[in-house]
Amino acid sequence: KNQVEQSPQSLIILEGKNCTLQCNYTVSPFSNLRWYKQDTGRGPVSLTIMTFSENTKSNGRYTATLDADTKQSSLHITASQLSDSASYICVVSANRGSTLGRLYFGRGTQLTVWP
Amino acid sequence: DAGVIQSPRHEVTEMGQEVTLRCKPISGHDYLFWYRQTMMRGLELLIYFNNNVPIDDSGMPEDRFSAKMPNASFSTLKIQPSEPRDSAVYFCASSTREKLFFGSGTQLSVL
Repeated sequence: KNQVEQSPQSLIILEGKNCTLQCNYTVSPFSNLRWYKQDTGRGPVSLTIMTFSENTKSNGRYTATLDADTKQSSLHITASQLSDSASYICVVSANRGSTLGRLYFGRGTQLTVWP
Repeated sequence: DAGVIQSPRHEVTEMGQEVTLRCKPISGHDYLFWYRQTMMRGLELLIYFNNNVPIDDSGMPEDRFSAKMPNASFSTLKIQPSEPRDSAVYFCASSTREKLFFGSGTQLSVL
């Protein structure tokens, strides 16, 4: 069964600290893995997209890693800011050849950054 | 570009009433998706279109749900009749290939 599991479910950190969010998946055949940030009351916004051959990708203070062998990904946030408070959603795309792959969503990690 | 535009932002209705959610995708995007998000189930794909044609509607929960895309710049999701368990945030997203752009969603409350 194609699934995406995220941990922790929620996380509270102090401003300026680093944190790492985890994503495990069983989606096959794998096409790519994305991390989205969803602010309260808004739609998800793409942070990173990684294909099978990529094992790390950065977007400012966000760095995503991918281990396609163990089917794990992590999102590391450096020097957190209050504006990082949001839900972070891991999404895995299944390969469907030339057509758009089916997306499988994790339930998200709710991050709260305190001053 | 203004991004994906959804309306209304909030909808409160009574059980049994018809609800129509609207979406304007980003110009040039040939894929359009409708998602539903709840605390219990997270984001769920309802249906998606490619070049205005419905490709996969297996996520549409019941016959009470229907979606149309009459042209490349407009889509609707209709619920008739609505039920309290339909209460959720409904997102529209558009894409060229892999990167999705989401709208701000419609918060639907069915009383």
